[in-house]
Amino acid sequence: AQSVSQHNHHVILSEAASLELGCNYSYGGTVNLFWYVQYPGQHLQLLLKYFSGDPLVKGIKGFEAEFIKSKFSFNLRKPSVQWSDTAEYFCAVERDDKIIFGKGTRLHILP
Amino acid sequence: GAGVSQSPRYKVAKRGQDVALRCDPISGHVSLFWYQQALGQGPEFLTYFQNEAQLDKSGLPSDRFFAERPEGSVSTLKIQRTQQEDSAVYLCASSSDRGLGGYTFGSGTRLTVV
Repeated sequence: AQSVSQHNHHVILSEAASLELGCNYSYGGTVNLFWYVQYPGQHLQLLLKYFSGDPLVKGIKGFEAEFIKSKFSFNLRKPSVQWSDTAEYFCAVERDDKIIFGKGTRLHILP
Repeated sequence: GAGVSQSPRYKVAKRGQDVALRCDPISGHVSLFWYQQALGQGPEFLTYFQNEAQLDKSGLPSDRFFAERPEGSVSTLKIQRTQQEDSAVYLCASSSDRGLGGYTFGSGTRLTVV
C-alpha cells in the first residue's frame, strides 16, 4: 500500500545534539513533500516543503531536509537542537490533491 | 481571519448522539480539508473541498460521517450516531492553491465519545 513511513516513533536527545529524523514514502512519480511540526498544545505548523529544484530544502528554525529521489526519502535534519524543539514531527506527501501524513515522531529534548 | 478557526475546541458526546464540527478557513482559500487524528497517530485524510465542490470523500470512515461547504467558505463535518471509535481530534486545513503554498491547519476539535 502507498504510505509514508517515519522510522522513529520517539527520539530523546540532549541540547546541542544533532538531529536526523527519517522519512520514506512509497508513491511513484512526482510528489510534493512536507515536514510539519506540532508543539505541545499547538496546531500543526509547516516547517519546510519541497516541490522541485534544489533537493536540499531549508526551513524555519534551522531545520533542513534532503530529498533523495532514488531512495524515496525526505529526512529532516538540524545540526544542534534546542529544548524548544521538543514537539511532534510529521512527514507528509501531497498526492492527488491531498496530504498523506506519517504517524509522527515525538522528539524530546533534555535541557 | 488570520488563521483557520475551528469550533468547538472540545466536544464530549454520549454514544449515539449526533455532533457537528465547524471550520472557518482563511478568507479566499479555495481548498479545504478535514483530517482525523487519533491519539498517537498522524492525521488521516477524511475529505476535500474545492470551493463548494466535495472532490474527494474517500477517507470518510462510514456513512455516519458527512461534510458540507455549501457556500465555498465555512465547512461543517457532521457525525451521526457517534461511537467510541470516533473519539479523536478533527483537524481542518485550508490552502490557496492546491497546497503549493502549504496547508494552514486549525487547532482542531477534540471529540470524546462516552
